Amino acid sequence: DAGVIQSPRHEVTEMGQEVTLRCKPISGHDYLFWYRQTMMRGLELLIYFNNNVPIDDSGMPEDRFSAKMPNASFSTLKIQPSEPRDSAVYFCASSPSGGGTGEQYFGPGTRLTVT
Amino acid sequence: GEDVEQSLFLSVREGDSSVINCTYTDSSSTYLYWYKQEPGAGLQLLTYIFSNMDMKQDQRLTVLLNKKDKHLSLRIADTQTGDSAIYFCAVDPYGGSQGNLIFGKGTKLSVKP
Repeated sequence: DAGVIQSPRHEVTEMGQEVTLRCKPISGHDYLFWYRQTMMRGLELLIYFNNNVPIDDSGMPEDRFSAKMPNASFSTLKIQPSEPRDSAVYFCASSPSGGGTGEQYFGPGTRLTVT
Repeated sequence: GEDVEQSLFLSVREGDSSVINCTYTDSSSTYLYWYKQEPGAGLQLLTYIFSNMDMKQDQRLTVLLNKKDKHLSLRIADTQTGDSAIYFCAVDPYGGSQGNLIFGKGTKLSVKP
């Protein structure tokens, strides 16, 4: 398996623009997580899905952020409108359910810069 | 809620042992994990320990778990420059039933030649 795939790897955009980050989890994994990493706050869980259903979105900073998982092999994280304080590395991770060790497999991340 | 604490920085000389410490608040974790993040990359699972174990050894890595004190440590023997990275402690507060993990802020390990 190719692992968790994220695109784009780098995104530079201007304040006010819409940004869409994409993630393809590992095939067969039932859980999908979106994280944000900054120097100041470390690794923050934004939202996670189980079987394509959002389970906990309490980490989503505000209404400008939205996430969808239309099917088991694809998820998006959208920021509209983007602001400079959204600059961070965004990670997607996936995990199989039940019976395993619960470990999460991370993608390489998308480095977002909002100017 | 669950809280996981780590010191932010550790500096060692090549060939020495490194010990990275972690404390957590919730004792219901089934597994406890150490992840490694190299520059420009995502987190990768380094090792984990089942909650009914006190110690786990895997080549140069030794994980110690003190459940009474809610303390987890990672020892890297014969530390190499390639071990320079950020190390995250993570716990599983829902006993594997909900999928999400709680991560510490990470300890940046710098290895000097």
